[in-house]
Amino acid sequence: DADVTQTPRNRITKTGKRIMLECSQTKGHDRMYWYRQDPGLGLQLIYYSFDVKDINKGEISDGYSVSRQAQAKFSLSLESAIPNQTALYFCATSDFGHRDIRGQFFGPGTRLTVL
Amino acid sequence: EDQVTQSPEALRLQEGESSSLNCSYTVSGLRGLFWYRQDPGKGPEFLFTLYSAGEEKEKERLKATLTKKESFLHITAPKPEDSATYLCAVYQLTGGGNKLTFGTGTQLKVEL
Repeated sequence: DADVTQTPRNRITKTGKRIMLECSQTKGHDRMYWYRQDPGLGLQLIYYSFDVKDINKGEISDGYSVSRQAQAKFSLSLESAIPNQTALYFCATSDFGHRDIRGQFFGPGTRLTVL
Repeated sequence: EDQVTQSPEALRLQEGESSSLNCSYTVSGLRGLFWYRQDPGKGPEFLFTLYSAGEEKEKERLKATLTKKESFLHITAPKPEDSATYLCAVYQLTGGGNKLTFGTGTQLKVEL
């Protein structure tokens, strides 16, 4: 079974609709992240959470909100979707410690299209 | 401004033709540099972490190296299954906390 799962995998929605993307992980990591990926722009950080009570904005948080329901669950919401939010969205987890830096582990992605 | 630049943007190799991908960075407070592989429609897959200049890591046909300004991902005798986009990311400690900045990737195509 996958360590980081995302639902839905694909979603087409209309401008103005509210949409939620969900992420679950079984890696036991405290830290979770949401990224979007656009062609030619690389991965951009939307929000991140270091534990259930900690939520932080990333580079491009405008138009997005998040909820950390449990250690294993981190949801991303678009309150009123707009076409330029069409992108590939990734959830990631990590166990970055003070000294032991390891890479992040990514989910399979959600392809979101806003018409 | 912190920047991570990968080159080339795309690379086409024949099977067995060795080459290198470059990741140059201008950041302060570097704590680590990561390499990832990303297949189309999938999430990035972690390959290596490099912590300090002079460090090298190897995995099968891949070897990553790090200097104070750049990192190289060397691919020796590549096979078609090595075709993917390779991403690098720089992990740094800033006044505002830890920060991870990704490059835009090199799209590698290995042909028979």
